[in-house]
Parts: sequence; structure tokens; C-alpha cells
Amino acid sequence: GENVEQHPSTLSVQEGDSAVIKCTYSDSASNYFPWYKQELGKRPQLIIDIRSNVGEKKDQRIAVTLNKTAKHFSLHITETQPEDSAVYFCAASKGRNQFYFGTGTSLTVIP
Amino acid sequence: DTAVSQTPKYLVTQMGNDKSIKCEQNLGHDTMYWYKQDSKKFLKIMFSYNNKELIINETVPNRFSPKSPDKAHLNLHINSLELGDSAVYFCASSPGTSGLSQYFGPGTRLTVT
Repeated sequence: GENVEQHPSTLSVQEGDSAVIKCTYSDSASNYFPWYKQELGKRPQLIIDIRSNVGEKKDQRIAVTLNKTAKHFSLHITETQPEDSAVYFCAASKGRNQFYFGTGTSLTVIP
Repeated sequence: DTAVSQTPKYLVTQMGNDKSIKCEQNLGHDTMYWYKQDSKKFLKIMFSYNNKELIINETVPNRFSPKSPDKAHLNLHINSLELGDSAVYFCASSPGTSGLSQYFGPGTRLTVT
């Protein structure tokens, strides 16, 4: 099966700084890599995703990069704001029932 | 409008009981899912289902069974509840069958005493 590792488990940054969260996966057949944001007591929400035929995708302050050869992908948040504080999950998938989540990164943005 | 809804939000019950959690989506999506999030926040897929096919994660005990009365609903029935079943259960849905762009429900916190 797939093994998704996520680092760091906790991350604190000053407001306005950038935050980077990294994930690695083991199964080269994985072809879809979403990122979810989960605020305390709330549902996971899809914030950005990337498919294996793309190396980078950006949406305003959020970007995701994918290195298929190295089997790793990263989430980049620029100009962080306090409302970015949450737990972020990466996931790797090769089909609709084969979703494997990372262990989560608790991001704290210090005002 | 609530895209994916679940009831109840909280469920407290005793060991050995049978309980159900309901899920409804009004997005017109073809595929629905159930996830379990344990106390360490690990998210694990349990089932995916569309109107043609149920796929079960092999690690899910057969005490758990999804039931879909129609395309917009996927309920989770749990028999003989155990302490280790305590977790937050999330329903989700996505368009098509590829698993892309999943939308999660608000979650049901199940506590087994």
C-alpha cells in the first residue's frame, strides 16, 4: 500500500513569513495529490490539489509543487496570516478508494 | 446551503449497541465516502461508494456497513460498538469516480463508553 509521510508535525511562523510543509509518498502509481486545511473542530477543506502531469500549481498565496521522480510534494503558503493557523493534511491517491493521508501539520501563525 | 451534511453531530453510546450515522449531499456528486479520524487526528478512508460499486478498505471491521438508499445518501451503520470505535467520522463526496475534489461533511463525534 501507499505510505505518506508529512513533515513537520508542528510549525510556527511569524505573520507575513512563509510556511512550507513537505510530504513524501511511496507508490509511484499515485497520481493525485490534494491538500486539506482543518481548523479546530471543523471539517477538512480542500485548499489546493495537483495531478501528476503538473509540476506546480498556484492559487493566490498558496502553491503546491510536485517532484514525481523523488516522490515528494510540498505546500507553500506565502505572506501568512493568523487565519492560516490550522492543521494541514497532504494526501496521495491513485483511485477513488485509495486515499492515503499524511499525519498532519499543525501550523500556528503568530501575529 | 449545506453541501454535505451529517447527523447526528455528537453520538454517545454504550459498548455493544448498534448505531447509524446519516450523510446527505446536495452537490449531485456520483461518489460518496466515509472516513475515520482518530484522537491523533489520523484520517483514514473506510469506504467509497457510487451507484454501481462499493469499495471497502480491507482494514475496516465487518461491523461497519455503509447503506445507500439513493445517490445523495450514504449512511454508516455500526454493529456491536467497541471502545476503539470512538472517533470523529466524516462523510465526503466527489464528482465522478476518480476521487478528485472531495467535499467533507461536518463530522460526527462518536463516543463509546
